[in-house]
Amino acid sequence: DAGVIQSPRHEVTEMGQEVTLRCKPISGHNSLFWYRQTMMRGLELLIYFNNNVPIDDSGMPEDRFSAKMPNASFSTLKIQPSEPRDSAVYFCASSLSYSYTFGSGTRLTVV
Amino acid sequence: KNEVEQSPQNLTAQEGEFITINCSYSVGISALHWLQQHPGGGIVSLFMLSSGKKKHGRLIATINIQEKHSSLHITASHPRDSAVYICAVASGTYKYIFGTGTRLKVLA
Repeated sequence: DAGVIQSPRHEVTEMGQEVTLRCKPISGHNSLFWYRQTMMRGLELLIYFNNNVPIDDSGMPEDRFSAKMPNASFSTLKIQPSEPRDSAVYFCASSLSYSYTFGSGTRLTVV
Repeated sequence: KNEVEQSPQNLTAQEGEFITINCSYSVGISALHWLQQHPGGGIVSLFMLSSGKKKHGRLIATINIQEKHSSLHITASHPRDSAVYICAVASGTYKYIFGTGTRLKVLA
């Protein structure tokens, strides 16, 4: 198994542009998580999907952020419009029960 | 006060030393993870514990549910063990609370 696959690994974009981050979870895992990691706040849960359904999006900062999981093998996190304070590493993780696997992350820089 | 506290925040050790990283939590938990993150790298789950002790190679993790405390031990530490170690507790079926991490540097 290739693990949780995220793309792109790095993204540099200008303020105001739309950014889309992608995640392919491990086959068979029924839960998917998007996290944001910053030096100031550490790891924060943005949204949690179970069986492709968003269960908890209370961590999504504001309406500029949206996430979808159209099927069991793909999820996207979109930021529109992006702002410099969105610069962070965004991790996707998938799990089955408590078996948890993180992707390698997307380092987003908004200038 | 954070619900998950790790100590120490930073640790420098000489190669070969025995290392202990501690995690205390104040919430009821269903599971606890120890995570490892290398500089600029991804996050790897080292252990998932709900009771007792687990060992994998030079790494040992223990948990005391009554005392709400877990420890991660590294025996015969090596420079490649240099990373940030994060304690994460599951307070429900999916929601994890993360410690702020312990930054470990092992010198050759």
